[in-house]
Amino acid sequence: DAKTTQPNSMESNEEEPVHLPCNHSTISGTDYIHWYRQLPSQGPEYVIHGLTSNVNNRMASLAIAEDRKSSTLILHRATLRDAAVYYCIFDNFNKFYFGSGTKLNVKP
Amino acid sequence: GAVVSQHPSWVICKSGTSVKIECRSLDFQATTMFWYRQFPKQSLMLMATSNEGSKATYEQGVEKDKFLINHASLTLSTLTVTSAHPEDSSFYICSARQPGRGEQYFGPGTRLTVT
Repeated sequence: DAKTTQPNSMESNEEEPVHLPCNHSTISGTDYIHWYRQLPSQGPEYVIHGLTSNVNNRMASLAIAEDRKSSTLILHRATLRDAAVYYCIFDNFNKFYFGSGTKLNVKP
Repeated sequence: GAVVSQHPSWVICKSGTSVKIECRSLDFQATTMFWYRQFPKQSLMLMATSNEGSKATYEQGVEKDKFLINHASLTLSTLTVTSAHPEDSSFYICSARQPGRGEQYFGPGTRLTVT
């Protein structure tokens, strides 16, 4: 199984930026890094993905280390709706193996 | 775009019966769909990969005769839990991948309770 390591939980204040780290030291050169988030009793929601360069979309930014062994998901201004479990995953032969994720708590 | 639906959203069945869960990609064709299982307060566990027109490939430890997967069209995959038992009670989630794209789009999940 493809292994990623994330902190179990993080806390943020509303309207402040959040940096969610992920280590993926066994990633290979062609594996994409994906981030998803999940609310209770719902399916995961796509957030962002990238290969080597940093990526931005309307939801978040993804900063990928030069050696690709780690990445950081950046939520620029956390809202209460961003409270969820965030999963960092990398493609392993086109399959996703989920780690335990980071539970993000956003305080008003 | 990229919407995936599941039906039913929840189901209760008696021990020993079978239950079928449908996964549909609503606005794209998916040559590959995936089935996951999630127990309370745990992460998603990949069960199997479903390829249109061919047999599903199962992850190690997943009983293929118990979890029957059919991917008969480019927009529909089904998971049948046969002879369900209480330990099969879980949240079952499917996902679909668009051809040539890396990201997966997930359905809303199906809560199965076996009594």
